[in-house]
Amino acid sequence: EDQVTQSPEALRLQEGESSSLNCSYTVSGLRGLFWYRQDPGKGPEFLFTLYSAGEEKEKERLKATLTKKESFLHITAPKPEDSATYLCAVQGWAQGGSEKLVFGKGTKLTVNP
Amino acid sequence: GAVVSQHPSWVICKSGTSVKIECRSLDFQATTMFWYRQFPKQSLMLMATSNEGSKATYEQGVEKDKFLINHASLTLSTLTVTSAHPEDSSFYICSARDPSGAYEQYFGPGTRLTVT
Repeated sequence: EDQVTQSPEALRLQEGESSSLNCSYTVSGLRGLFWYRQDPGKGPEFLFTLYSAGEEKEKERLKATLTKKESFLHITAPKPEDSATYLCAVQGWAQGGSEKLVFGKGTKLTVNP
Repeated sequence: GAVVSQHPSWVICKSGTSVKIECRSLDFQATTMFWYRQFPKQSLMLMATSNEGSKATYEQGVEKDKFLINHASLTLSTLTVTSAHPEDSSFYICSARDPSGAYEQYFGPGTRLTVT
């Protein structure tokens, strides 16, 4: 069974204080690993897709990396508007063609001014 | 691009009644849409995969007679919660994959259901 574990559950940073969020996963053949941002009471907003170990993607202050067992979301010089819950999800090949996403519980990031 | 909408954004209903939630892809045609459920401080759990023109595929443990899904067109899927009970109160979110893109799913804004 595919599983995703995110750590830490919550993270408080000062504005400008860089850090990383972790996503550990087990999956029977990785089709893709996805990062989303979710604001309170809203649906998840797509950030990145990573497909293979060694791949990296960047968007503004965010950079996602992938290994065979985990993914990191690096936040460089965060701003208060980066405060949100960041969700990691995996999609495996061995699900009979299913496009099911398996999500972690997320990391709630708070950036203080 | 890749915008998904949901309606309503919140709904309150009485126990025993039914409520319908709509999910629309606004700028692309989605042959497949997905319905998730999220409890407070919990991860999103896939309830069912909705395929245009065919029956939905439900995840294990999800009652198909209680959560009716219809995907009548390439831009609209509906979820009907029948005979709702307080334990059905939750945040329901739909998603869709743009066939012209890769495997990422784009999510709607969600519907908060409260059953009294």
